[in-house]
Amino acid sequence: KQEVTQIPAALSVPEGENLVLNCSFTDSAIYNLQWFRQDPGKGLTSLLLIQSSQREQTSGRLNASLDKSSGRSTLYIAASQPGDSATYLCAGESRGAQKLVFGQGTRLTINP
Amino acid sequence: GAVVSQHPSRVICKSGTSVKIECRSLDFQATTMFWYRQFPKQSLMLMATSNEGSKATYEQGVEKDKFLINHASLTLSTLTVTSAHPEDSSFYICSAPTRTGQRYYGYTFGSGTRLTVV
Repeated sequence: KQEVTQIPAALSVPEGENLVLNCSFTDSAIYNLQWFRQDPGKGLTSLLLIQSSQREQTSGRLNASLDKSSGRSTLYIAASQPGDSATYLCAGESRGAQKLVFGQGTRLTINP
Repeated sequence: GAVVSQHPSRVICKSGTSVKIECRSLDFQATTMFWYRQFPKQSLMLMATSNEGSKATYEQGVEKDKFLINHASLTLSTLTVTSAHPEDSSFYICSAPTRTGQRYYGYTFGSGTRLTVV
């Protein structure tokens, strides 16, 4: 059974810093991994999708990597801005099980 | 990009009444829709999976008679909370794996529905 863990649970940093959010999963048979952002009271916005044959994806100031052998994914946010404040969730989809397994999220606060 | 339109965004209902939540896929066909529930400051809990034209599959501990799911078309899935009680108050979100042609975009989520039962 796939389990996903996110560390840290909460993070508060000053504006402008580069930061890394971590996600680990127990089943190396993970097929796709997706990072989401959730603002308070809102749905989830997809940030990056790393598919089975890929190791990383980049979108603007965001970069996500996936290492199946170590069971880890990281989301790198460069030059953080107050607008980046949100909860970030990673979710994995295992081969043969068409559903996402979520981590508990990292609540990020960027201080001006 | 692909959009899942979820309505209503907020609803307040009296205890004992039923509430219907709709999720529509725009610009793509959602053969599968996932329904989640989220408690404050917690992650998403999968409730059920609906497939177009067949019965929904419920996760363990989710009452299928209370949470009725219908997936009548390739673009519409509905969740009806029947005989709602205050403990059903929560944030409900739908999601669909998104494909157009040969390209896969991952999962697209609706904007969520805040249900308050009074």
